[in-house]
Amino acid sequence: SQQGEEDPQALSIQEGENATMNCSYKTSINNLQWYRQNSGRGLVHLILIRSNEREKHSGRLRVTLDTSKKSSSLLITASRAADTASYFCATDAIAGANSKLTFGKGITLSVRP
Amino acid sequence: DAGITQSPRHKVTETGTPVTLRCHQTENHRYMYWYRQDPGHGLRLIHYSYGVKDTDKGEVSDGYSVSRSKTEDFLLTLESATSSQTSVYFCAITPGLVNTGELFFGEGSRLTVL
Repeated sequence: SQQGEEDPQALSIQEGENATMNCSYKTSINNLQWYRQNSGRGLVHLILIRSNEREKHSGRLRVTLDTSKKSSSLLITASRAADTASYFCATDAIAGANSKLTFGKGITLSVRP
Repeated sequence: DAGITQSPRHKVTETGTPVTLRCHQTENHRYMYWYRQDPGHGLRLIHYSYGVKDTDKGEVSDGYSVSRSKTEDFLLTLESATSSQTSVYFCAITPGLVNTGELFFGEGSRLTVL
């Protein structure tokens, strides 16, 4: 069963706009990660935020984590057509050797040129 | 690029036949995973390995077996394929010898069971 659930399921924006995607989860986590998947390709790791962190940045990406609400958001600023992809959040409940990621169903982002 | 190669990339087979998918890595990563991806379900963990001959079940392991006789190869076997196993299968690794939790994925193997 999925731990994380992304919202919205699909998002369509104009190039240059910001894209905000949300993820909610049900049980306590060690960390939360976001991945991108281009059509027909494997998933690519974007960013990891630990349970004791509230915000993290990587280039045009900003991730926030609110453990009290069991939710995270991924913000892509100044979007580009190349950002068109599916985005997945994944949660990791256990640290260390037994760590296993549980993925949500994904968000389809379309960025119109 | 974590040096992961999946084979075959595409396969069509018939119900009841055995199928083996191979995941090959060249960088001595300790942890390897097999996921399947289906519309409406996202990615689900089938089996994983934390070392040679050390494997464990994931969320959807029924109908699948795995083997890891050497570090570089993690094999996923469907002993008798069923139509419900039509899916895209992804191998993933956690880099290095310590499980940091971050995954790097192969390009996927698309399996169709007729």
